[in-house]
Amino acid sequence: EVQLVQSGAEVKKPGESLKISCKGSGYSFTRYWIGWVRQMPGKGLEWMGIIYPGDSDTRYSPSFQGQVTISADKSISTAYLQWSSLKASDTAMYYCARHMGYCSSTTCSSMDVWGQGTTVTVSS
Amino acid sequence: DIVMTQTPLSLSVTPGQPASISCKSSQSLLHTDGKTYLYWYLQKPGQSPQLLIYEVSSRFSGVPDRFSGSGSGTDFTLKISRVEAEDVGVYYCMQGIHLPLTFGGGTKVEIK
Repeated sequence: EVQLVQSGAEVKKPGESLKISCKGSGYSFTRYWIGWVRQMPGKGLEWMGIIYPGDSDTRYSPSFQGQVTISADKSISTAYLQWSSLKASDTAMYYCARHMGYCSSTTCSSMDVWGQGTTVTVSS
Repeated sequence: DIVMTQTPLSLSVTPGQPASISCKSSQSLLHTDGKTYLYWYLQKPGQSPQLLIYEVSSRFSGVPDRFSGSGSGTDFTLKISRVEAEDVGVYYCMQGIHLPLTFGGGTKVEIK
């Protein structure tokens, strides 16, 4: 079974760092782009960026560029989303998702497999 | 960024009746490769989003045939021919022709 399993819920204080994970299984992890999507409480979906685990080619939404870092370790089939200094406004659910086909420098296929989500709460 | 506008914001439907959701993009989603990069997702309550439709009208594996997608250029529609109780949730359209990928604001479907 193809699946993405994300790390558990996190509660952090403003200014702290955080790295959440997304482990793929049941398919060739290096051959599919992985994207990250934010959903703030009671709000819609926002695309943050993507990574190709095969060569770590990464693209960010301008809204998230410089705010987060997307990375991957292909040896353990895991993608990551990290913050160096969290803010209260980072409180949200974060989903990873696999793109079912190719992503070019401008276009991207749809996301066919989603992780279960990781809740991040940032509060003093 | 491409702006995706969905209407209506919410929909209350009697089981067995049809439902329709509109999605308009601020730019054409037709690429020179011939594909139209428009996708539909459903997020059921308390769950992760799930893919329903890709490239305007192709149903994803396992999606019931009561779901259909249509449209071209900048105007798209998701139709449910006969709504069932399990169809409740928020429906999102998303464009994939220009990074950053962008979602519509969502349409909440409830059962009367």
